[in-house]
Amino acid sequence: SQTIHQWPATLVQPVGSPLSLECTVEGTSNPNLYWYRQAAGRGLQLLFYSVGIGQISSEVPQNLSASRPQDRQFILSSKKLLLSDSGFYLCAWTLGPSVNTEAFFGQGTRLTVV
Amino acid sequence: EDKVVQSPLSLVVHEGDTVTLNCSYEVTNFRSLLWYKQEKKAPTFLFMLTSSGIEKKSGRLSSILDKKELFSILNITATQTGDSAVYLCAGGTASKLTFGTGTRLQVTL
Repeated sequence: SQTIHQWPATLVQPVGSPLSLECTVEGTSNPNLYWYRQAAGRGLQLLFYSVGIGQISSEVPQNLSASRPQDRQFILSSKKLLLSDSGFYLCAWTLGPSVNTEAFFGQGTRLTVV
Repeated sequence: EDKVVQSPLSLVVHEGDTVTLNCSYEVTNFRSLLWYKQEKKAPTFLFMLTSSGIEKKSGRLSSILDKKELFSILNITATQTGDSAVYLCAGGTASKLTFGTGTRLQVTL
């Protein structure tokens, strides 16, 4: 069966420090991968999505970046965190474009920038 | 730019009430509309709708899609305190899912 792993669960980082959040998917091939950010009690803001290795689409200009070095690995990074980067980050995957399926989510990373 | 808007933003009801949550979308190359329930961390899947006018039901929850008017509704009948959560809808294309702002539902005794 398919599973998605996202880590760490919580993170407290000082302003100006780098960030690396990792997400891996098991049990499927060539998934579409997503990074979302959620402010407290609000909806999910799509940050990046990827339909294949090395293919990254950015939805929101910001100081975050994403990479997909392997088929089932998606990484969210920042060189220098801002206070406004605090939030709940969710990784998700769906099957590729030929199939309409639900999105499966990781358990999320709560990032606090201090 | 794809856009999904949910209303109301928040809602407080009494146990046993029926609620209707709204979701309108403007999504280029639209393929599906999805509903999720989020209580603490990861959203949990409720429904996926791809065809207009066909109601999907699961227990006390039901949902329908109108592709002409570009909206969907989620109904919850006989609400219970366990229904308290943020409800999210998303418009899907072949390559991405765009979520709405969410509706926070609180069910009180």
